[in-house]
Amino acid sequence: QSALTQPASVSGSPGQSIAISCTGTSSDVGGYNYVSWYQQHPGKAPKLMIYEVSNRPSGVSDRFSGSKSGNTASLTISGLQAEDEADYYCSSYTSSNFVFGTGTKVTVL
Amino acid sequence: EVQLVQSGAEVKKPGESLKISCKGSGYSFTTYWIGWVRQMPGKGLEWMGIIYPGDSDTRYSPSSQGQVTISADKSISTAYLQWSSLKASDTAMYYCARHRGGAFNSPFGYWGQGTLVTVSS
Repeated sequence: QSALTQPASVSGSPGQSIAISCTGTSSDVGGYNYVSWYQQHPGKAPKLMIYEVSNRPSGVSDRFSGSKSGNTASLTISGLQAEDEADYYCSSYTSSNFVFGTGTKVTVL
Repeated sequence: EVQLVQSGAEVKKPGESLKISCKGSGYSFTTYWIGWVRQMPGKGLEWMGIIYPGDSDTRYSPSSQGQVTISADKSISTAYLQWSSLKASDTAMYYCARHRGGAFNSPFGYWGQGTLVTVSS
């Protein structure tokens, strides 16, 4: 199975909103509402930010939101802050296992 | 508090075997899927496989099938990732992670600190 496709990089100024796309197929993103998003700061383990397309775990800022349309899921970060600078990965359930996205580096200008 | 504590960094030669571990605590080890994720230097996350310690049901990604073995010892709440013959291309950070919920389709909600494996002659 192939990795889900994400843009290599996205940038924005503090306070702005950015969106990261995650494109798969009908066998993964499009077939199930089990898309999740992870944030990874350099040298750290990933952290779950969104699960089941749009749900936030306890403790995750409401500036992070998720959505899905067809085979593409999106993560939106509103009110961008310096601490949001990190790598972001989407992931999808595929019925027999899981697949991650290619990853997106978010830069806060 | 859920915790996953992984074994320390390893330096191995090509062809050697290796088994790294991930000890879970703070929850019922047998009722949550626990898996392994590879991150090669400067690269993205790769889902390798997962095990349900309660009955040892194990699933692998197509690329990991036959290359590694995932196992668990529920008596000591520890999951393992092992290689029988390492290659230089196995050099990576390996994370263990536990599903957030009990279902197979749940995401990874808890992560270990990572184990760096370096394979070099």
